[in-house]
Amino acid sequence: DAKTTQPNSMESNEEEPVHLPCNHSTISGTDYIHWYRQLPSQGPEYVIHGLTSNVNNRMASLAIAEDRKSSTLILHRATLRDAAVYYCILRNNAGNMLTFGGGTRLMVKP
Amino acid sequence: ETGVTQTPRHLVMGMTNKKSLKCEQHLGHNAMYWYKQSAKKPLELMFVYNFKEQTENNSVPSRFSPECPNSSHLFLHLHTLQPEDSALYLCASSQGPGPYSNQPQHFGDGTRLSIL
Repeated sequence: DAKTTQPNSMESNEEEPVHLPCNHSTISGTDYIHWYRQLPSQGPEYVIHGLTSNVNNRMASLAIAEDRKSSTLILHRATLRDAAVYYCILRNNAGNMLTFGGGTRLMVKP
Repeated sequence: ETGVTQTPRHLVMGMTNKKSLKCEQHLGHNAMYWYKQSAKKPLELMFVYNFKEQTENNSVPSRFSPECPNSSHLFLHLHTLQPEDSALYLCASSQGPGPYSNQPQHFGDGTRLSIL
């Protein structure tokens, strides 16, 4: 699987937008970009995924660069409950496995 | 509320004990997974079952023995574990491979295992 690069940690203020970056310069044409997050003492939770176009759902938005070598997860208004480790994962359409990296630990300040 | 239930939530065992971890899902999924999460390391995929058949063993030592009796249940049998096996063991489920392979995986909250 192609690899992703994320900052180890980020801080945000409550009720402000958060932009979590992910670099994936070796992405292939069939790789989908998936985001999961893991809250303390819980298993990972699916957030969003996309291929080429930007995607929105009730949790977040995913902005994908035109060359697909990077993407950004956008939380529109961070809450204290959004404090978690966020994982950016490339997933080939041929298989159903996920390969997790270190993720970004998001801290939200009141 | 998660659709994937893992029991027990916590387990402490000696190196000579035999125990089993249980995972159950009622989401209608055909694929189930075991992951290991050690302190300060990324989640590691251990096993994948598709339609009750094991399709992936990520070089896991034989002291870990998975069992998938049906699409809703997955077990991890533990025998003669080592202290370095102490970790959070996570179960997940999803639609099987093929046209639905990019559907999300749903995770349980894990079993925290401590080996004395």
